[in-house]
Amino acid sequence: SQKIEQNSEALNIQEGKTATLTCNYTNYSPAYLQWYRQDPGRGPVFLLLIRENEKEKRKERLKVTFDTTLKQSLFHITASQPADSATYLCALHLLTGGGNKLTFGTGTQLKVEL
Amino acid sequence: DGGITQSPKYLFRKEGQNVTLSCEQNLNHDAMYWYRQDPGQGLRLIYYSQIVNDFQKGDIAEGYSVSREKKESFPLTVTSAQKNPTAFYLCASTRDRTEAFFGQGTRLTVV
Repeated sequence: SQKIEQNSEALNIQEGKTATLTCNYTNYSPAYLQWYRQDPGRGPVFLLLIRENEKEKRKERLKVTFDTTLKQSLFHITASQPADSATYLCALHLLTGGGNKLTFGTGTQLKVEL
Repeated sequence: DGGITQSPKYLFRKEGQNVTLSCEQNLNHDAMYWYRQDPGQGLRLIYYSQIVNDFQKGDIAEGYSVSREKKESFPLTVTSAQKNPTAFYLCASTRDRTEAFFGQGTRLTVV
């Protein structure tokens, strides 16, 4: 069956360090992979999209890598700040007979401490 | 402003009742989705729709029903067959396979 797995344990890091979150998937061949941020009680907010032919994508302090051989994406936040504390979700579009099925991983909670 | 609106924000359901959650978007997106989120969990897909008058079951469709009579609207009904409906429900829309826009969610509680 198809799965998207993220670290279920919370990641605690110190302010100023780089946070690295992992997304692994099985039985997919996605053309795109996306990362979202979710704050408590709110809907997720889109951060970055990376295509299968892109190895790396950057946006300000964020960097995403995509390794289709390993079936893995890494999400990095450099110079982390307490305001970066949130849950981060990866997502894939799976093309089905009925359209695009957008499936999310379980999310990883990040806590940035002073 | 373009966006996606869910209502109500909080909803209470008595056991055995059906309730309907509203989701409206003015982004002119073709695809719409419903997710369920339980405390400390990720998003699980209930139903999705690519075009008007067509929708597909997601991973946890049992006990739920949807309709897509208009492009802008994708209401979700939680039926009495859903034995554990207390959760946070999120609606989303996308254009093609790009970023998804989410509503603010509806928190449903069984009383």
